[in-house]
Formats: sequence, structure tokens, C-alpha cells
Amino acid sequence: SQQGEEDPQALSIQEGENATMNCSYKTSINNLQWYRQNSGRGLVHLILIRSNEREKHSGRLRVTLDTSKKSSSLLITASRAADTASYFCATPYNQGGKLIFGQGTELSVKP
Amino acid sequence: DTAVSQTPKYLVTQMGNDKSIKCEQNLGHDTMYWYKQDSKKFLKIMFSYNNKELIINETVPNRFSPKSPDKAHLNLHINSLELGDSAVYFCASSQDSGTLNTEAFFGQGTRLTVV
Repeated sequence: SQQGEEDPQALSIQEGENATMNCSYKTSINNLQWYRQNSGRGLVHLILIRSNEREKHSGRLRVTLDTSKKSSSLLITASRAADTASYFCATPYNQGGKLIFGQGTELSVKP
Repeated sequence: DTAVSQTPKYLVTQMGNDKSIKCEQNLGHDTMYWYKQDSKKFLKIMFSYNNKELIINETVPNRFSPKSPDKAHLNLHINSLELGDSAVYFCASSQDSGTLNTEAFFGQGTRLTVV
């Protein structure tokens, strides 16, 4: 299967704590993307990290990429209740714009 | 203004029926997609269209027929619905399928329940 894997599958933390989610993938990639899905909603793109980048920041988000280990992590600092959502990593596969998604991490941030 | 909009948001129908889901994007993107998300939140691509032409058909049963009247619209028609078709279907678009460094914009999803 081309599908990546994410861990943990579920994560529950208190507001203000940091949340770290990990993603592993199987093939060589051009980039890796992270998406958020709120309950009952569509996916929202958060950040894209290219294969020649090791770290990228966007607000409270920090993404790292280790192509030698075929893994990425998403860190959300100072979490808020509004960060409660499912988070997916995705990698593009060849042409056609197809994205291969991980199974997602369900994050719950308790106020 | 909603960037990618799909209708309906909910669809409950009986086995054997035929139904359609519509999708429109106002982002000026060349590429549109249909993804299926199952009950375990597993997301998988079904189809990809670039400028009205089919470029990916991910071994989806031929009961599923996408139609793209223009590059801003991609509809999904499903014939002879089966229980296993119950899922959330997402439409998405991106600027260019040929450039890998491109993010996708998703609609809010259509929750299809076949009874």
C-alpha cells in the first residue's frame, strides 16, 4: 500500500500544551503536506514542506521532514480548544495531483 | 465566497437508486478531484480531472461516472447505489496537476447514506 501512517491515532491534551503528531510514508516524495479536518467539515491545507527542506514554521505550527527516515512531524504549540480536529499528512503521487493521505491523528484539546 | 462548494451536504437514499453530487470551484483552478472518506476517516482519491479531461480513475466501479462540463465544475453520478457506497465524498481542486508543489482545496463534503 502507498498509504502513509500517522501516530498517534488519537491524542488528548490540555489547552496550552503542545501537540506532536508523526507521519511516515513509503515512497520518495517531492513534498509533504499537512491538512486539518474539523468534525463534519472538509480538509483545510495547513502547510507544505518540500523534500529539500528540513523544517518549516507557520504561526503556532512547526513541521519537520526527515527524508532519510521517510517521516515528518507536526508540532502545534500552545494548543487551543479550537485546534480540536483530525490532522492528516499527505504526499503527492506522480502526476495528476493525486494525494496519498495518512490515516490521520484525532486531536482533542480540552479547555 | 466559498472556494469549493458541493451539494448536497447530506444525501440519504435507498439501495439501487441513482444519485448525483455537484461540485463547483471559483478559484480558477485547472484540476478537480473526487475523494472518498470512509467511516474510519480513510481518504482515497477516486478521480482527477484536468481542464475537463479525466487523468486519474482510481479503479472505481463503473457505477461511478464523473462529468466535467467545464473546468470549474466536476459532478459525480452514481448508479445503482449499494450499501458500501455510504461514505463522505469530497470534491477538491488544485491549481495545476502537473506541478507537484500544489495544495488542494476541499469542499465541505457530501455525506452519503445508502439504506
